Amino acid sequence: GENVEQHPSTLSVQEGDSAVIKCTYSDSASNYFPWYKQELGKGPQLIIDIRSNVGEKKDQRIAVTLNKTAKHFSLHITETQPEDSAVYFCAAFTGGFKTIFGAGTRLFVKA
Amino acid sequence: EPEVTQTPSHQVTQMGQEVILRCVPISNHLYFYWYRQILGQKVEFLVSFYNNEISEKSEIFDDQFSVERPDGSNFTLKIRSTKLEDSAMYFCASGTGQETQYFGPGTRLLVL
Repeated sequence: GENVEQHPSTLSVQEGDSAVIKCTYSDSASNYFPWYKQELGKGPQLIIDIRSNVGEKKDQRIAVTLNKTAKHFSLHITETQPEDSAVYFCAAFTGGFKTIFGAGTRLFVKA
Repeated sequence: EPEVTQTPSHQVTQMGQEVILRCVPISNHLYFYWYRQILGQKVEFLVSFYNNEISEKSEIFDDQFSVERPDGSNFTLKIRSTKLEDSAMYFCASGTGQETQYFGPGTRLLVL
């Protein structure tokens, strides 16, 4: 069945450093890839997304890249700040109405 | 900025009891979803709802689960006879299209 693998499960960086989270998906028909940030006790919040006809998208300190051939996509956060600390989920929209989530990456940004 | 809201924020129930989780999606959205997240695990798709009917459901969404949009604003998830393993955070989401979804804050359900 459809699956999204996400690595690493935990990531600790120093404030100001970059953080990279990587995901792979199994369904080649997936065409939309959102990233969500989940803070403690809250629901996932959409922070950036990318469609399959685009290779890269940037929004201030956040960027996503997509390699359709390899079925990889990544989240890049530059100049990390303590408030970036959260759990980040990648996801793949498989067509129809279903979105499959990765297992999540817990990001710690140390001041 | 409009938000998805959910009530209650927490619910404790006895095994075998029925629970109804409520959601108010963003007002101009047409697509509605329920997800669950067992503590420390990934967010899992349960069901999607469009045009007053279920459009897709996962294998988790068995006969114990049902969804309803009883009026123009509410979207509910009912669990008929709760089991211990139903304990989880339940998130409602809505969107104007099938892809981009906005999540509510969740209801934490604890089945004893």
